[in-house]
Amino acid sequence: SQQGEEDPQALSIQEGENATMNCSYKTSINNLQWYRQNSGRGLVHLILIRSNEREKHSGRLRVTLDTSKKSSSLLITASRAADTASYFCALVLLGGNTGKLIFGQGTTLQVKP
Amino acid sequence: DVKVTQSSRYLVKRTGEKVFLECVQDMDHENMFWYRQDPGLGLRLIYFSYDVKMKEKGDIPEGYSVSREKKERFSLILESASTNQTSMYLCASSETSGVYNEQFFGPGTRLTVL
Repeated sequence: SQQGEEDPQALSIQEGENATMNCSYKTSINNLQWYRQNSGRGLVHLILIRSNEREKHSGRLRVTLDTSKKSSSLLITASRAADTASYFCALVLLGGNTGKLIFGQGTTLQVKP
Repeated sequence: DVKVTQSSRYLVKRTGEKVFLECVQDMDHENMFWYRQDPGLGLRLIYFSYDVKMKEKGDIPEGYSVSREKKERFSLILESASTNQTSMYLCASSETSGVYNEQFFGPGTRLTVL
């Protein structure tokens, strides 16, 4: 499968703790994107990391990419109750030119106040 | 802000009915996408369109068709709804055919087929 595999499937932490989610894949990618989905709503783009990048930051988000291991991680620091959501990695495959995304199954994060 | 709207948040239809799901984006995006989302399966691409009147099959096109007569509107059609098409349907758009573009999603339509 070309789909990203996300780990863990579910994560429950206390407010203020850090949350780490992982995404592994099997094919070559052009870039990898992370999206958030609040309960029953549409997805919102968080961050994009290109295949030649190793790390990117956006506010409390830190994304790493290791193309040799074909894996990425999303770290949310100092989590808040409002971070409770599902998080999806999405792959843009190498050689693609349509911006088509292939989504993983997602990690459900619960942040307890 | 980019806005992607979908015609209904919730929809209940009967087996065999023809169902239309409408999606409109207001930012002149070239690409539009239809996904379905099921628990444990993530989002799966049904169809996408990179220009008016152009369409390409995604990973699970069977039982679906699409129409894009105007740039801002992309319709998903279930020709004869079946219970296994009960799902959350998400529409998205992106700016151009480039690979570095994020997708902007609508709020989703939760379709139940009885």
